[in-house]
Amino acid sequence: SAVISQKPSRDICQRGTSLTIQCQVDSQVTMMFWYRQQPGQSLTLIATANQGSEATYESGFVIDKFPISRPNLTFSTLTVSNMSPEDSSIYLCSVREPRGAYGYTFGSGTRLTVV
Amino acid sequence: RKEVEQDPGPFNVPEGATVAFNCTYSNSASQSFFWYRQDCRKEPKLLMSVYSSGNEDGRFTAQLNRASQYISLLIRDSKLSDSATYLCVVGMDTGRRALTFGSGTRLQVQP
Repeated sequence: SAVISQKPSRDICQRGTSLTIQCQVDSQVTMMFWYRQQPGQSLTLIATANQGSEATYESGFVIDKFPISRPNLTFSTLTVSNMSPEDSSIYLCSVREPRGAYGYTFGSGTRLTVV
Repeated sequence: RKEVEQDPGPFNVPEGATVAFNCTYSNSASQSFFWYRQDCRKEPKLLMSVYSSGNEDGRFTAQLNRASQYISLLIRDSKLSDSATYLCVVGMDTGRRALTFGSGTRLQVQP
């Protein structure tokens, strides 16, 4: 299965600042996905990132708050902008394995605390 | 109504017990079905895909009933290391939607 390197693994940030999270995949993938997991909750899809086009955001998430870059087929970034304590969460990137039955692989996550 | 519903638990069982988790999904067009395992402070990891014919992997058996939109996971001979949160996950093979996660069922296997 694909191997995803996600960083940083954790960070503590001041409110009003921004943090950029990076995901590097060891193989070329068409779509990368960004999820958020709030404390005690399950995963919620933020957006889908395709190479060469703008990311597609889910309801409740907007580009100004969560800008995404996808410069090539192995890399993507998610920025959490103008952070507030409500953004404290785990952020995970994910890719779909080439064969659907093998599911999706996740990065190890970024644990963000906003103070 | 949530798209994917699970009993949150926790399920507290002794070692060696058999435990079953259930899950229902609302989108009849769903095409992919998975059980993921998530350990505390870790990312979700694929446990097994779920097929209509049912599938088994060692002590784990997964079943899918498309007519009832129901998915199950059976764990036999529970081990301490099975303690985790089990996520029922449903996907579409087309379109931009990735996966829809249930809220997870917490399992605690006790000695």
